[in-house]
This record gives sequence, structure tokens and C-alpha cells, in this order.
Amino acid sequence: QVQLVQSGAEVRKPGSSVRVSCKASGTIFTSYAFGWVRQAPGQGLEWMGGIIPILDTANYTQRFQGRVTITADESTSTAYMELSSLRSDDTAVYYCTRIFYDGSGYFYEMDYWGQGTLVTVSS
Amino acid sequence: SYELTQPPSVSVSPGQTARITCSGDALPKEYAYWYQQKAGQAPVLVIYKDSERPSGIPERFSGSSSGTTVTLTISGVQAEDEADYYCQSADYSDSSVIFGGGTKLTVL
Repeated sequence: QVQLVQSGAEVRKPGSSVRVSCKASGTIFTSYAFGWVRQAPGQGLEWMGGIIPILDTANYTQRFQGRVTITADESTSTAYMELSSLRSDDTAVYYCTRIFYDGSGYFYEMDYWGQGTLVTVSS
Repeated sequence: SYELTQPPSVSVSPGQTARITCSGDALPKEYAYWYQQKAGQAPVLVIYKDSERPSGIPERFSGSSSGTTVTLTISGVQAEDEADYYCQSADYSDSSVIFGGGTKLTVL
């Protein structure tokens, strides 16, 4: 069965960076895209960006441009999300997702989600 | 910026039909997807490409589309359906993905 297993909770100080990993199993890693969605406490879902591993191309929503980097390691079937210049309002649960996509890089449904990683930003 | 608009809350009694709407200007051209999120859990895909149901999702979940509005319908609501529901589509303004604000479904 498909599983996306994320790294554990992190605590960071404002201004620092955090990297969250997402290891996929039970799936052909290079046949899908992988995305990152975050959810602040008591808030809704917010798309950050995604990557197509076989093309090694990532795109990011404008709100996070310049602060987020999404990468993928085919050899370990692991996707990564690094967020820099952390602020207190970056405190959230970060989810990775498996995404269907087409030849033009258009993203369709997110059919599997990781368990979520809580990132707390506090001085 | 582009937005998907959902009602903050919907309440129904067990056995009734719940309808959750999602409105957006691009919805006539872009697919919509629906996710269910129960408290403390990761979201689960319940409808994709407007009206398709993934394997394992009960038949009481259905989706439809009309103009700029898509609707998630839950027929014969059960207590276990109490959750937050999010619609998702493409954000044509930055070639990205966008979520609606979410709707809390309460089963009375």
C-alpha cells in the first residue's frame, strides 16, 4: 500500500530554516508529482508548491516564492521541503501529498497524504 | 487574487442530505476536488475531477458541477461524516493550486 512517511516535529527560532522530509513507499516515485500543503492551527489548507521528480522541476505559489525550496531524491523516493526566514506565523502542520499530473505539468488530485509534521517557530 | 468560496458551516441531522458548495470563476474550466479532514487527521480525497469517487469512498459521497459552482453531496449523512471539507482547484493566476476556506459539517 502507498505510504508517505514524514519526518518528526521541529522547533525553530525566528529567522532560521527548517527542512521536512517525506519518504514514499508502495508507489513508483517517478510516476507522480509530490506537493506540500500546510495548515496553521485552527486554519484551512494552504498550498505551498510541488515537484515532478522525473523532470526535477518545482513550482511554488507566489506567497512562498523565494522562501521555499522543494526537492526530490529519486534514489531514496524522498521529497523535501525547506522553508527559510521562518516567522511565528509559519507555525503549522506541514503535509506532503502524492499528486497525479499530466504531460504539461498540470496537477490533478492529491490522492495520498503524509501524516503531517508540526513545525513550531518560537523564540 | 483568485479565491474559492465555501460556506463556513453546514449542519444536518443523521440520515439527511448535506450539500456543500464551492464557488470560483475558473470552475467552469478547471476540475474541482474535495477532501475530508477529521479532527487531528490528514485530509482524505473523497471526490476528484468534479464527480469521480476514489475506491474505498462510500457511495453516499457524490460531486457535481454547474457553472461557477461545484457541490459535494453527502446522502444519508452518518455521524462519522462530521468533519471539515475542502474544495481544491487550479489557481490560474499563478499556475498553481488553490483550496477553498473549508466547511465544517456538523451532524446534529
